[in-house]
Amino acid sequence: DARVTQTPRHKVTEMGQEVTMRCQPILGHNTVFWYRQTMMQGLELLAYFRNRAPLDDSGMPKDRFSAEMPDATLATLKIQPSEPRDSAVYFCASGESWSYTEAFFGQGTRLTVV
Amino acid sequence: DAKTTQPPSMDCAEGRAANLPCNHSTISGNEYVYWYRQIHSQGPQYIIHGLKNNETNEMASLIITEDRKSSTLILPHATLRDTAVYYCIVRVATGANSKLTFGKGITLSVRP
Repeated sequence: DARVTQTPRHKVTEMGQEVTMRCQPILGHNTVFWYRQTMMQGLELLAYFRNRAPLDDSGMPKDRFSAEMPDATLATLKIQPSEPRDSAVYFCASGESWSYTEAFFGQGTRLTVV
Repeated sequence: DAKTTQPPSMDCAEGRAANLPCNHSTISGNEYVYWYRQIHSQGPQYIIHGLKNNETNEMASLIITEDRKSSTLILPHATLRDTAVYYCIVRVATGANSKLTFGKGITLSVRP
């Protein structure tokens, strides 16, 4: 059963520490999205990749956040240094850009920065 | 991407049809209507999408008005497991502008 895998599922870290979240898109999918969800802001699009190249990262705070795709099977979202306001659930989704099909979401990483 | 407007919440009785409305009056000719839902603590899940014709799959039906300015998602026989936040999204299907942007959605509560 193909699915998007995110690790870790939960992360608690101290303010100032680096946090790395990982996403394994569904094999063959060439589009990857990163979202952040909080009660106040809802689901916010942070970044959007196609064929491993960033198409849009305008939703991402550039000073502390970075998103990359080292290869087609791995997407990473890093926060350095982390702050309490970064506490949220981070979702990764993948899809196929050549058709009109849906994006498949992972289970998310729940990040708590204390 | 065009903006969508949804009521904040609605409820329906288990076993009855749930009709979830969405307004998208500024939709462009190349934009599709997508519906996703998010059950508590899970990632969003795709339900259905359409351009101008009505669509049906195993989960739901999508009715799009002729002028495409609004649509309705129909869950024909709602169950307790359909309690979730439902998002109506319009987006172009392909290309660099084909990002998936979520609004606040509508919270559907299915009561026993």
